Amino acid sequence: QKEVEQNSGPLSVPEGAIASLNCTYSDRGSQSFFWYRQYSGKSPELIMFIYSNGDKEDGRFTAQLNKASQYVSLLIRDSQPSDSATYLCAVRGFGNEKLTFGTGTRLTIIP
Amino acid sequence: DVKVTQSSRYLVKRTGEKVFLECVQDMDHENMFWYRQDPGLGLRLIYFSYDVKMKEKGDIPEGYSVSREKKERFSLILESASTNQTSMYLCASSYGDRGRVKGNYGYTFGSGTRLTVV
Repeated sequence: QKEVEQNSGPLSVPEGAIASLNCTYSDRGSQSFFWYRQYSGKSPELIMFIYSNGDKEDGRFTAQLNKASQYVSLLIRDSQPSDSATYLCAVRGFGNEKLTFGTGTRLTIIP
Repeated sequence: DVKVTQSSRYLVKRTGEKVFLECVQDMDHENMFWYRQDPGLGLRLIYFSYDVKMKEKGDIPEGYSVSREKKERFSLILESASTNQTSMYLCASSYGDRGRVKGNYGYTFGSGTRLTVV
């Protein structure tokens, strides 16, 4: 079992709809969780982080964390074509300075 | 604007050459990391450093070494480049959380170096 799992996609969402990206992790001791956006040929860019159960909102983005079920999700409201990218989920374990990354979900917003 | 700067965007090297990839951060981050990213394989950690002159092997250290003589600079060295080291190399840095949880201890990535070994 991979430590951090994401559906590789591609996930296609109409413009203006809500895109939902999911991530599960295996280490119950994981402390904090990150979502990165990576455009083709570019490096990953941090868009959200969360460490408490529940929702965290930032503009059109909402991160959701459920530690009991070991999943974290990212919702993108009012999806735009510029949101088309690969989204990487990353997890930091207890006492661990490193992040463990999923392989990413490719999201395409259809105009 | 805070930055992680990688010295080259594109590099082409010959098999057997010694290759140096440089990374500099201006955020006073304790931790620095080198990853490679290949299609279908995701990000793979090569080496990381959580302090000056400290280094630890990641998942795929074979064929690589690193140097961290100053806090802001972390160098990746390919001792004898081979074609299977053709890849995108990403440097990243982060604050050291030292056991703390709250706060942003995520990575800031450099823009990447696309290395081709011929």
